[in-house]
Amino acid sequence: EAAVTQSPRNKVAVTGGKVTLSCNQTNNHNNMYWYRQDTGHGLRLIHYSYGAGSTEKGDIPDGYKASRPSQENFSLILELATPSQTSVYFCASGDVADNQAPLFGEGTRLSVL
Amino acid sequence: QQNVQQSPESLIVPEGARTSLNCTFSDSASQYFWWYRQHSGKAPKALMSIFSNGEKEEGRFTIHLNKASLHFSLHIRDSQPSDSALYLCAVTGGRALIFGTGTTVSVSP
Repeated sequence: EAAVTQSPRNKVAVTGGKVTLSCNQTNNHNNMYWYRQDTGHGLRLIHYSYGAGSTEKGDIPDGYKASRPSQENFSLILELATPSQTSVYFCASGDVADNQAPLFGEGTRLSVL
Repeated sequence: QQNVQQSPESLIVPEGARTSLNCTFSDSASQYFWWYRQHSGKAPKALMSIFSNGEKEEGRFTIHLNKASLHFSLHIRDSQPSDSALYLCAVTGGRALIFGTGTTVSVSP
């Protein structure tokens, strides 16, 4: 069964610390995405990837890096976490150009104190 | 850059009523148009999509698309309490989906 798995599910970080959010998909999709969700903003695109080794900036990339070491794995990295990055982060996979609806993981709730 | 807006922000509907949600977008070259539903604390899940002007019906859900007006909508007939959720519209922007801000629907028994 198609799946997108995120870890950790919950994370508390300190300001200035490094945070890595991980995502794994078993769908063999080329494209993977990182979104954040805040009340009143819907889902905003941070970074995405076309395949292993590629990363592209989305609409709100500042303060975030991404890494796609393999087809299955896509990480979001906050090198210097700030309280404004407190949010729920969703990873998704799906080839939008082929009208495949991206399948979302269950989300990671991040609090930066 | 694609701009996607939804209205209303929230609405309360009685059980059994018809619900209508709206979405506008800015890029007339957009190809695919999606509606997602997200129950509280859960992942967004795709409901249905449309790519050509007109109407598409799946069960109690209907999408209307008018590319010339840069507008599409979702209609839910015979609303059920289980339909209470955040509804997100999304439009293709290149190789990614760009989402609206969402409409919160509450169905009262």
